[in-house]
Amino acid sequence: SQTIHQWPATLVQPVGSPLSLECTVEGTSNPNLYWYRQAAGRGLQLLFYSVGIGQISSEVPQNLSASRPQDRQFILSSKKLLLSDSGFYLCAWSPTTYEKLFFGSGTQLSVL
Amino acid sequence: AQSVAQPEDQVNVAEGNPLTVKCTYSVSGNPYLFWYVQYPNRGLQFLLKYITGDNLVKGSYGFEAEFNKSQTSFHLKKPSALVSDSALYFCAVRDDSGAGSYQLTFGKGTKLSVIP
Repeated sequence: SQTIHQWPATLVQPVGSPLSLECTVEGTSNPNLYWYRQAAGRGLQLLFYSVGIGQISSEVPQNLSASRPQDRQFILSSKKLLLSDSGFYLCAWSPTTYEKLFFGSGTQLSVL
Repeated sequence: AQSVAQPEDQVNVAEGNPLTVKCTYSVSGNPYLFWYVQYPNRGLQFLLKYITGDNLVKGSYGFEAEFNKSQTSFHLKKPSALVSDSALYFCAVRDDSGAGSYQLTFGKGTKLSVIP
């Protein structure tokens, strides 16, 4: 069966520090991969999606970037965190574009 | 552009009563519609989806949703609410027309509280 792993679960970082959040999927190949941000426990904002290795699409211009160095690995990064980067970050995958998403357990990021 | 609206921030229902969480959508083509549930500090879990076919879709944990094309709605329902159903519920839509079709657009969520 397929599983998605996302870590860390909680992260507290100072303003201006770098960020690296990692997400891996097991039990499938060539998944579509997504990064979402959820602010204040409510709506989800799509940040990045990827349909293959090295293929990254950005939905919102911001202080963050994403990379997909391997088929089942998706990384969210920042060189310098801002206070506004705080939130709950969710990684997700789907077998194809029109299938349901499977979500990771999320990372609560607090930038202080 | 595709969009989805959940008009109620919060829904309160007594245990054992039927519940409805509302969702309306807007797309250029045909909609792919989804419901997800989120428990505190957790990722979202898939409940059910409508792609095509029967307008009444049955999903996990006794939930169902009715697709109404004329009213552009996809309301989530359950005949008898449980306290354990208390959570945050998200409706989501994807447009099959190809415009922004990679993007699954989520509503802002509705907090369901089931009162014992």
